Amino acid sequence: AQKITQTQPGMFVQEKEAVTLDCTYDTSDPSYGLFWYKQPSSGEMIFLIYQGSYDQQNATEGRYSLNFQKARKSANLVISASQLGDSAMYFCAMREMGTQGGSEKLVFGKGMKLTVNP
Amino acid sequence: DTGVSQDPRHKITKRGQNVTFRCDPISEHNRLYWYRQTLGQGPEFLTYFQNEAQLEKSRLLSDRFSAERPKGSFSTLEIQRTEQGDSAMYLCASSLVVSLVQFFGPGTRLTVL
Repeated sequence: AQKITQTQPGMFVQEKEAVTLDCTYDTSDPSYGLFWYKQPSSGEMIFLIYQGSYDQQNATEGRYSLNFQKARKSANLVISASQLGDSAMYFCAMREMGTQGGSEKLVFGKGMKLTVNP
Repeated sequence: DTGVSQDPRHKITKRGQNVTFRCDPISEHNRLYWYRQTLGQGPEFLTYFQNEAQLEKSRLLSDRFSAERPKGSFSTLEIQRTEQGDSAMYLCASSLVVSLVQFFGPGTRLTVL
């Protein structure tokens, strides 16, 4: 069964510093995708970055990069140059692709709260 | 606004009442998903549609829950005989068939008294 683990309940970072948010996953499917979403206090889930299990390079999207370590089954999100607006809940999620299409559902971790201090 | 929209944003109801939520996906997105998020947890998948066909349902979707997408555009999620355990944020998302990324709406927060 799919499982996403986010063990950090909360983190604090100073503005302009980099921060790493941890995510480990468990799946027996060789084909899967990993996602990070941000959820501000307003409630909307905002897509940040995607990494496919067969992608050779780590995904990057502006200030966001994904440190994908397949052997360790980890997909940590790195935010460079933190901004006050980065304060939010962050969720790691996975979708199993399967050999016959897999599932469309995203399985989310419990999330972690990031607070950026001025 | 061209994003996913949900209505209402907040709903307070008494136990035993029926409630219905609406989701309007991003235009031309043919896949639509429903998730439920309880306090302190990540969203949990409920169901998804491709056009008007409901293709996958979670075991979380009890017989009191029903979702429809009659014309392949907007979708409704109805909860009958609400229980206090139904209190949660109900999130809708949409995507294109060719895309892996699901885009979420602002959610409907349900409180059952």
